[in-house]
Amino acid sequence: SQKIEQNSEALNIQEGKTATLTCNYTNYSPAYLQWYRQDPGRGPVFLLLIRENEKEKRKERLKVTFDTTLKQSLFHITASQPADSATYLCALAGMDSSYKLIFGSGTRLLVRP
Amino acid sequence: EAGVTQFPSHSVIEKGQTVTLRCDPISGHDNLYWYRRVMGKEIKFLLHFVKESKQDESGMPNNRFLAERTGGTYSTLKVQPAELEDSGVYFCASSLWRGTNTGELFFGEGSRLTVL
Repeated sequence: SQKIEQNSEALNIQEGKTATLTCNYTNYSPAYLQWYRQDPGRGPVFLLLIRENEKEKRKERLKVTFDTTLKQSLFHITASQPADSATYLCALAGMDSSYKLIFGSGTRLLVRP
Repeated sequence: EAGVTQFPSHSVIEKGQTVTLRCDPISGHDNLYWYRRVMGKEIKFLLHFVKESKQDESGMPNNRFLAERTGGTYSTLKVQPAELEDSGVYFCASSLWRGTNTGELFFGEGSRLTVL
């Protein structure tokens, strides 16, 4: 069955450092991959989308890579700030059902001042 | 511009009772989705509307769940009768374009359902 793995352990880093979060998947060939941010008690907020034919996408301090051979996406936040502390969700979608996102369980990021 | 709004934010009911959750998508968004997260699990797809039509309801757990979107505007998700395992957070999302390849989903804050 399709499986998405995100590190369930919280990532704890110092302000100013680069945070790197991992999303691995098996038994799936996604056409698109999205990253969302979720704060406690709130809904997910879209951050970035990357297509299967794209290797890398950037938006301000955010960078996403997508390696379909390794079946892995890396999500980087450079010059991290305490305000970046949240849970980050990886979500995949295939061409046949591109509206049906399959979410990972998320990784909690804590940026210490 | 108002975002996706959901009501109620939290509902506590007894097993066997009925609950109706409401979602108002962003104005002009034809696509409306319901997702839910049960305790300790990932957010999972329930169904997708395009305007008033159900495009995919493959994620609906069973026939105790009924979703409607009369007139293609707001949507309701009714759970009748509610069971303990229905407890969780129900998220509604909307998008302007069909599919996730052309843009993001805009999520509401969620409706937390607790079944006792």
